[in-house]
Amino acid sequence: SYVLTQPPSVSVAPGKTARITCGGNNIGSKSVHWYQQKPGQAPVLVIYYDSDRPSGIPERFSGSNSGNTATLTISRVEAGDEADYYCQVWDSSSAFVVFGGGTKLTVL
Amino acid sequence: QVQLVQSGAEVKKPGASVKVSCKASGYTFTSYDINWVRQATGQGLEWMGWMNPNSGNTGYAQKFQGRVTMTRNTSISTAYMELSSLRSEDTAVYYCARGRGHGRYWGQGTLVTVSS
Repeated sequence: SYVLTQPPSVSVAPGKTARITCGGNNIGSKSVHWYQQKPGQAPVLVIYYDSDRPSGIPERFSGSNSGNTATLTISRVEAGDEADYYCQVWDSSSAFVVFGGGTKLTVL
Repeated sequence: QVQLVQSGAEVKKPGASVKVSCKASGYTFTSYDINWVRQATGQGLEWMGWMNPNSGNTGYAQKFQGRVTMTRNTSISTAYMELSSLRSEDTAVYYCARGRGHGRYWGQGTLVTVSS
């Protein structure tokens, strides 16, 4: 089965840029989606199809995907961005969804 | 506005079954897949499967094959996820999410506790 690997934690100072990676075999050939989840809340889609932003998501959130790594980039990080972030792909050949293990973003 | 409203918390004994509902509003229910995702306390998101509300077709994660059943009632725009042979490891928050490939809209979650 397909495996997505994320770092357990990333720390960043306010105002700086956070980059959260998601590794997978030839992930660049798949569409990657990213979710933000704060404690006690349902996940929120922040990036879909590698780099598209749903309405209401700040432009500070961006995504890229190439080779074996997809990246979620959060610019000008704010305290309110502190959350768990999950990458996810849809394997169309098997019709399965796969989530990464999640990354806890800490704003110092 | 699109909303997915799930049923309330459940407490079940080991070996029992649980059926969680997800009522959709604000869009045409049969136009989008419904996925089910669960999350144990302090753990990550775990995909359970999807259902096409129009056709009733389903796809289940291998881990849950034989234990999970996803159904729908189109007349009331509601999707259901039933999990049988519950064990303590099934204690988690269960979410429904709309969409194929990615979840743009999510329910609020339903806590299922399995305890003797």
